[in-house]
Amino acid sequence: NAGVTQTPKFRVLKTGQSMTLLCAQDMNHEYMYWYRQDPGMGLRLIHYSVGEGTTAKGEVPDGYNVSRLKKQNFLLGLESAAPSQTSVYFCASSQGAYYGYTFGSGTRLTVV
Amino acid sequence: DQQVKQNSPSLSVQEGRISILNCDYTNSMFDYFLWYKKYPAEGPTFLISISSIKDKNEDGRFTVFLNKSAKHLSLHIVPSQPGDSAVYFCAASALFGNEKLTFGTGTRLTIIP
Repeated sequence: NAGVTQTPKFRVLKTGQSMTLLCAQDMNHEYMYWYRQDPGMGLRLIHYSVGEGTTAKGEVPDGYNVSRLKKQNFLLGLESAAPSQTSVYFCASSQGAYYGYTFGSGTRLTVV
Repeated sequence: DQQVKQNSPSLSVQEGRISILNCDYTNSMFDYFLWYKKYPAEGPTFLISISSIKDKNEDGRFTVFLNKSAKHLSLHIVPSQPGDSAVYFCAASALFGNEKLTFGTGTRLTIIP
């Protein structure tokens, strides 16, 4: 009964490095999302997907790319990390917004 | 432009008393509202929701009230317990919002024993 699993849980990157955050869900949800949480800013939507093979930009997409090659996986990529991308990243999935989201436990990323 | 606002970053309440968390929104297209609870080092978890066709929804100790004319919702927790200490986010969705939720900035609730 895993729900939404995020890997890794913690990561420290140097400015300019790249990395991929992986999100996997086992609930057969159509919709998947990547949010970032920053102090005083709440949860802000980076990118989302309404189904396998689809992606769309959210509120703060710059500096990130995503892919949804399989229904159960949603990858978030940082091509050239910047200190402004230091944040806690949450992945979520849902049957639809009216059903609420199921969130992963988060990835704490520090860019130095 | 913050479409969902939680103007109180923090709130402290005595154990056993009522906790009232507030949320305001600006987008008149929002028609479904949710509250999430978040403990440190965990993802947010769904708490309670309300549709715009209702003005109240109750689930045990938790009640959400919606005032559409004021574009305001509130979460009441009665009685407050130490395990309620967490960050609470309100969120809103529009019927044609592509299944996205817009979240507020959160309120940190501390229950004092």
